[in-house]
Amino acid sequence: DTGVSQNPRHKITKRGQNVTFRCDPISEHNRLYWYRQTLGQGPEFLTYFQNEAQLEKSRLLSDRFSAERPKGSFSTLEIQRTEQGDSAMYLCASSSGTGNQPQHFGDGTRLSIL
Amino acid sequence: SQQGEEDPQALSIQEGENATMNCSYKTSINNLQWYRQNSGRGLVHLILIRSNEREKHSGRLRVTLDTSKKSSSLLITASRAADTASYFCATDPTSGTYKYIFGTGTRLKVLA
Repeated sequence: DTGVSQNPRHKITKRGQNVTFRCDPISEHNRLYWYRQTLGQGPEFLTYFQNEAQLEKSRLLSDRFSAERPKGSFSTLEIQRTEQGDSAMYLCASSSGTGNQPQHFGDGTRLSIL
Repeated sequence: SQQGEEDPQALSIQEGENATMNCSYKTSINNLQWYRQNSGRGLVHLILIRSNEREKHSGRLRVTLDTSKKSSSLLITASRAADTASYFCATDPTSGTYKYIFGTGTRLKVLA
């Protein structure tokens, strides 16, 4: 169990640029979640994958956001035409699919928009 | 919007004292989980309590769940400076969603 890995840890970009983050879940976990966390707040759900299928998306996930999980392994979260309000920590978590299981989080990608 | 609310928002205690934090939620749940987050890091799972359980222990942690009041509490006994962190509750609603709902957190500071 090598844990959930997220890359990059930090991303600084100019407003209007596109960014992509990667999450490598724990290998045997079929459930994968993306969250966004702003300073002083708890994580807010963005989207959920079961294997390669994206089963739920939050209304927070505007048209500028897209997530994929090809082959049910790693996942990517892309933000197009970034805005100041996108500055946040983006967290990925994974869990096994047997119900009532804890989520295992990565250390997140901190996005700063200049 | 987040459905979990932690209370207090911040807590400062001396090493060796107990820390109690509370979580309230709004809808029926399958389970409730508590997580710890150190500054700049991801969340670490502490304990999961199912909706049919009332109390659970893990080391120095004790969690209670009252589904009639839609509330939970986390007690950390004999606190240490290393317990300094933010603590979040997260609920798994029964409404057929996969969305876990996190609260706003309690920021605990343990003074040595």
